Amino acid sequence: KAGVTQTPRYLIKTRGQQVTLSCSPISGHRSVSWYQQTPGQGLQFLFEYFSETQRNKGNFPGRFSGRQFSNSRSEMNVSTLELGDSALYLCASSGRQGYVNTEAFFGQGTRLTVV
Amino acid sequence: DQQVKQNSPSLSVQEGRISILNCDYTNSMFDYFLWYKKYPAEGPTFLISISSIKDKNEDGRFTVFLNKSAKHLSLHIVPSQPGDSAVYFCAARSGGSQGNLIFGKGTKLSVKP
Repeated sequence: KAGVTQTPRYLIKTRGQQVTLSCSPISGHRSVSWYQQTPGQGLQFLFEYFSETQRNKGNFPGRFSGRQFSNSRSEMNVSTLELGDSALYLCASSGRQGYVNTEAFFGQGTRLTVV
Repeated sequence: DQQVKQNSPSLSVQEGRISILNCDYTNSMFDYFLWYKKYPAEGPTFLISISSIKDKNEDGRFTVFLNKSAKHLSLHIVPSQPGDSAVYFCAARSGGSQGNLIFGKGTKLSVKP
């Protein structure tokens, strides 16, 4: 079974630009979550999508948005990039085994550098 | 306010000894706790979890202990191996969704041969 795939792996953008990151979950998983990892703050929850609907949202400004498609693939968008947005962006997928939710499985992340 | 805290940014242990990583939480609604391991340039890898109805869960060399009254959990690795050197994240969730995890800031474990 293929794991969670994130593209691109690395990205360099300039301040003010916008960026779109992509995540393909494990086949059969319908929940996709996004996290931001920075050295000072650890992993911070951005949002979760389930069946194309945003189910949970973290404490990030409106410049951060996302969506999920009918095949469960998800995209995350950051507009008007700031230097502080430089981080590792991680996507995680989870599904169900019977009546139990599986743990979240993470992709390798997209390293975004804003210059 | 940080709901999940890992107060030790780093820990150094000799190979073969026990590693104990600690985690405290403040939200009494958390009902499920997880530990993830992360190597540089990779995503976190799930290690072990525990439900709030239990106080211990064991998987090979890894054991997680939960003390609900103290809002404290710990991960024991015994015996520690050099390959265990990584950053370990404690995470917690409330409700049924695994998609909204609150993470601690991580503890970097170094196991010296």
